[in-house]
Amino acid sequence: EADIYQTPRYLVIGTGKKITLECSQTMGHDKMYWYQQDPGMELHLIHYSYGVNSTEKGDLSSESTVSRIRTEHFPLTLESARPSHTSQYLCASSANPEGVKSYEQYFGPGTRLTVT
Amino acid sequence: KNQVEQSPQSLIILEGKNCTLQCNYTVSPFSNLRWYKQDTGRGPVSLTIMTFSENTKSNGRYTATLDADTKQSSLHITASQLSDSASYICVVSDRGSTLGRLYFGRGTQLTVWP
Repeated sequence: EADIYQTPRYLVIGTGKKITLECSQTMGHDKMYWYQQDPGMELHLIHYSYGVNSTEKGDLSSESTVSRIRTEHFPLTLESARPSHTSQYLCASSANPEGVKSYEQYFGPGTRLTVT
Repeated sequence: KNQVEQSPQSLIILEGKNCTLQCNYTVSPFSNLRWYKQDTGRGPVSLTIMTFSENTKSNGRYTATLDADTKQSSLHITASQLSDSASYICVVSDRGSTLGRLYFGRGTQLTVWP
């Protein structure tokens, strides 16, 4: 199993609160990703990073922000949570593109966020 | 538009039976195709990954096939077990960017009954 961790696993929070979802990996991977997944739907890329101090927005527009100060850490922040943010958030990482295997993305267990 | 379509949407089989899941894609330029298993409430875990030149790849009781000409893939599960109950997601990567962008299908929800 991959060494990528997410906390908390479950979070129920009221509207307007600021939240940070944590993601850490111990594999030394440069690339990290955040996906959003609703039940029965495909994963949508919301943020990614090529390495330290690199962050980019993904395909799906998101009000969240990310930071990459350390290689192993890629937290996602919502300044003011809303019910529309209720979803599962999955973090992933991959190594440098030296070959097919290097494109392997390893996923964390996810954070199930519910905003009431 | 790059897309990945999976069928069936859901499937129920009895323990010990075989099944085949389908994936059609339009992603271009194609880099590789992966099958992931996602247990409820967990992150996806990779089962197989195939490049353009590979047309079959096995991982235990899981066998994936790829026809790059017709842009179709299948995942065959042999002698199913209760632990196979999960969502199986087809994911295609393109060669068009250094990111290796992934395109996800919606998954096939497999339920194995005793």
